[in-house]
Amino acid sequence: AQKVTQAQTEISVVEKEDVTLDCVYETRDTTYYLFWYKQPPSGELVFLIRRNSFDEQNEISGRYSWNFQKSTSSFNFTITASQVVDSAVYFCALSPNAGGTSYGKLTFGQGTILTVHP
Amino acid sequence: EAQVTQNPRYLITVTGKKLTVTCSQNMNHEYMSWYRQDPGLGLRQIYYSMNVEVTDKGDVPEGYKVSRKEKRNFPLILESPSPNQTSLYFCASSYRAWDEQFFGPGTRLTVL
Repeated sequence: AQKVTQAQTEISVVEKEDVTLDCVYETRDTTYYLFWYKQPPSGELVFLIRRNSFDEQNEISGRYSWNFQKSTSSFNFTITASQVVDSAVYFCALSPNAGGTSYGKLTFGQGTILTVHP
Repeated sequence: EAQVTQNPRYLITVTGKKLTVTCSQNMNHEYMSWYRQDPGLGLRQIYYSMNVEVTDKGDVPEGYKVSRKEKRNFPLILESPSPNQTSLYFCASSYRAWDEQFFGPGTRLTVL
């Protein structure tokens, strides 16, 4: 069975602070994909990033960056210089590659509620 | 416009009254799935479908049924809804299971 844990239920920061959202996963599969999704107050789910388990390079996209460490089974998400518009629920998710033991299943974490105050 | 549609968006019903939530995508995606979102529990997968006529259980399938007779449609059926199925439901689709998921707008279901 696979599992995704987001231990931080809620985080509150003031605008311009940096914030890191933690994601730890468990899987028996050797190849898999990790994702981050954002759910703003309007309720829709928005894709942010997908990372293949083969690729441990960190990724940066504007104020967003992701740190994937296979050794610690973590895929953390950092927002630099946070803004009020970053306020949302953020979900980390895991999906095995073709042929994996849980092939077809997509497992989400519990989500982290981020509130950025002006 | 590429999209996933769900209907209805809001539904209040009573225990035991069968209901269907429809889901349709216009992107020719092979993979479709249903999730429920509950506070503190995140998104939990109910059922998924790798292709037409191929469906499988997710983590919380009890009390739900699905069918995939056409590529674009993936309805969620609650044959005898109970109050513990009160939740926010999302349908999603993608080319393959491990690709970016495109989510519908959600259906808020209340079972009294």
